[in-house]
Amino acid sequence: GAVVSQHPSWVICKSGTSVKIECRSLDFQATTMFWYRQFPKQSLMLMATSNEGSKATYEQGVEKDKFLINHASLTLSTLTVTSAHPEDSSFYICSARERDRGLSGANVLTFGAGSRLTVL
Amino acid sequence: AQSVAQPEDQVNVAEGNPLTVKCTYSVSGNPYLFWYVQYPNRGLQFLLKYITGDNLVKGSYGFEAEFNKSQTSFHLKKPSALVSDSALYFCAVRSFNPAAGNKLTFGGGTRVLVKP
Repeated sequence: GAVVSQHPSWVICKSGTSVKIECRSLDFQATTMFWYRQFPKQSLMLMATSNEGSKATYEQGVEKDKFLINHASLTLSTLTVTSAHPEDSSFYICSARERDRGLSGANVLTFGAGSRLTVL
Repeated sequence: AQSVAQPEDQVNVAEGNPLTVKCTYSVSGNPYLFWYVQYPNRGLQFLLKYITGDNLVKGSYGFEAEFNKSQTSFHLKKPSALVSDSALYFCAVRSFNPAAGNKLTFGGGTRVLVKP
């Protein structure tokens, strides 16, 4: 089945530094990838929709300059948390939808295993 | 705007007993409905989905869910719960209508604890 690899699984960084998280679709091409943020014991909050070859679409309240998203190829999207602060500490999860599967709305999203970011 | 409600934060059940996790939704037009499960520090795993057709959907690990249009519900069920079913369960909805956007909206999640 479809597999999405997310790296790193865990990252600890100092306040003010930038952290990049990668999301790769290993055995399929993903025209669209989604980035979520999950706070402890809470649901997933969609941060942005990443489309290959175009700018990401950010959800209301998500800072574009803070959370840089790049989707340079059909198998890779990256999320860079710039100038990270302790309040950015969270679990970040990406998901991908395979291209051209007919009823795209019915497609199951494949999720990465998540990346836990801790900013000291 | 579409939304999903999971009214129970946690469900406790004894191993071998039936398990039900409730979900109701609100969406413009016909819905695509999904259930995902999340284990600690992991991403979400797909369990099952309803697109159209038979209201009773069977999925992975013995789970099933029943789509009820009149009650706008999509409750997840398992006849006999296992300790290994203990996890966080998310219900999600997406509108069938492309004009409504293609976003998947998640419920708040229900933690299931199955006791031996």
